[in-house]
Amino acid sequence: AQTVTQSQPEMSVQEAETVTLSCTYDTSESDYYLFWYKQPPSRQMILVIRQEAYKQQNATENRFSVNFQKAAKSFSLKISDSQLGDAAMYFCASQGGSEKLVFGKGTKLTVNP
Amino acid sequence: DTGVSQNPRHKITKRGQNVTFRCDPISEHNRLYWYRQTLGQGPEFLTYFQNEAQLEKSRLLSDRFSAERPKGSFSTLEIQRTEQGDSAMYLCASSFGDPTQYFGPGTRLTVL
Repeated sequence: AQTVTQSQPEMSVQEAETVTLSCTYDTSESDYYLFWYKQPPSRQMILVIRQEAYKQQNATENRFSVNFQKAAKSFSLKISDSQLGDAAMYFCASQGGSEKLVFGKGTKLTVNP
Repeated sequence: DTGVSQNPRHKITKRGQNVTFRCDPISEHNRLYWYRQTLGQGPEFLTYFQNEAQLEKSRLLSDRFSAERPKGSFSTLEIQRTEQGDSAMYLCASSFGDPTQYFGPGTRLTVL
């Protein structure tokens, strides 16, 4: 069974600063995908970034990047130049061996002006 | 492309009543998923369809829950004899030929 753990229930960052959200996962699959989703207060889940496990290069999407450590089963999200609109719940998720996504419990990110 | 839509957005019902939710996936998406999210938790998988076939169901999907996707387009999720523990946000997602799932806004169910 896959598990995803987010050990930081809440994080805060100053506007324009950088913040890193942590995620660890466990899977017995050799082929899997990892995702970060953002859920703003309106509650619609939005994809932030995804990483294919077979790719060694860390994924990057504008101000968002990941640090994928496959051996350590770690998948952290770095948000650079934080903006007020980045405030949301962030969920780490994995998918492997099945179509279903397995989510962590989330990290609530607050951005202070 | 209008995205995944869900109706109703909110539903309040009394314990023991039946409720039905609808999900319209992104056009041409052949895979459709249902998840349940309770306060303070991440979404939990309920079931998934490829076209009209229901290919996977979670043990969370008790016999009071049933999902259909009769024509491979929209899907319905019905909960019979609702219980207070069914109160949650029910999320629908869709995908096509790619692992990334696109989520709808959800239906918030409150069981009194």
